[in-house]
Amino acid sequence: GNSVTQMEGPVTLSEEAFLTINCTYTATGYPSLFWYVQYPGEGLQLLLKATKADDKGSNKGFEATYRKETTSFHLEKGSVQVSDSAVYFCALRVSSGGSYIPTFGRGTSLIVHP
Amino acid sequence: NAGVTQTPKFQVLKTGQSMTLQCAQDMNHEYMSWYRQDPGMGLRLIHYSVGAGITDQGEVPNGYNVSRSTTEDFPLRLLSAAPSQTSVYFCASTRTGGEVAFFGQGTRLTVV
Repeated sequence: GNSVTQMEGPVTLSEEAFLTINCTYTATGYPSLFWYVQYPGEGLQLLLKATKADDKGSNKGFEATYRKETTSFHLEKGSVQVSDSAVYFCALRVSSGGSYIPTFGRGTSLIVHP
Repeated sequence: NAGVTQTPKFQVLKTGQSMTLQCAQDMNHEYMSWYRQDPGMGLRLIHYSVGAGITDQGEVPNGYNVSRSTTEDFPLRLLSAAPSQTSVYFCASTRTGGEVAFFGQGTRLTVV
């Protein structure tokens, strides 16, 4: 089956620190990969995505590269801000049988201190 | 464009009561799904639908019913609420051929 494994949180950083949140996956088929972000009190929203090997998704200073050889999609940001405090979910989608329902990891909470 | 709208935002139920969580989308998306979010468990899929009249079970379907009579609406019914159903519930939709899921703001349910 399909599954996503994320590093456990919370991840606590000072403002301007470098961020890495690890994500690895297993999938039956060729998945598209996503990072979603959930700000406090809100639903999830797409942060970035990559649809094939070696693609790099990027948005708001965040980046993640689709690594097929290591089945990974790690999220990085060079300099975090307090406003980046949120829960980050790694996800995959394999369009087998016409289903477009994604599989999510457990989420990693990021806390950024001033 | 409202996107995905969930109602209510908050609800408190007594054990044994029934209720329906509403979800509506105005994007003409075929695929809709319900998740529950619990601390340390992430998002778990309850039920999903690939189109009007078609529903299927997800990872944790027990205690919940769904129906999909229209493309726009995908209500989630709790038949007899239990404290174990205390959670935050999210509805999401995806268009046919699309990759991105659009989420509602969530319903925080407490069963006492």
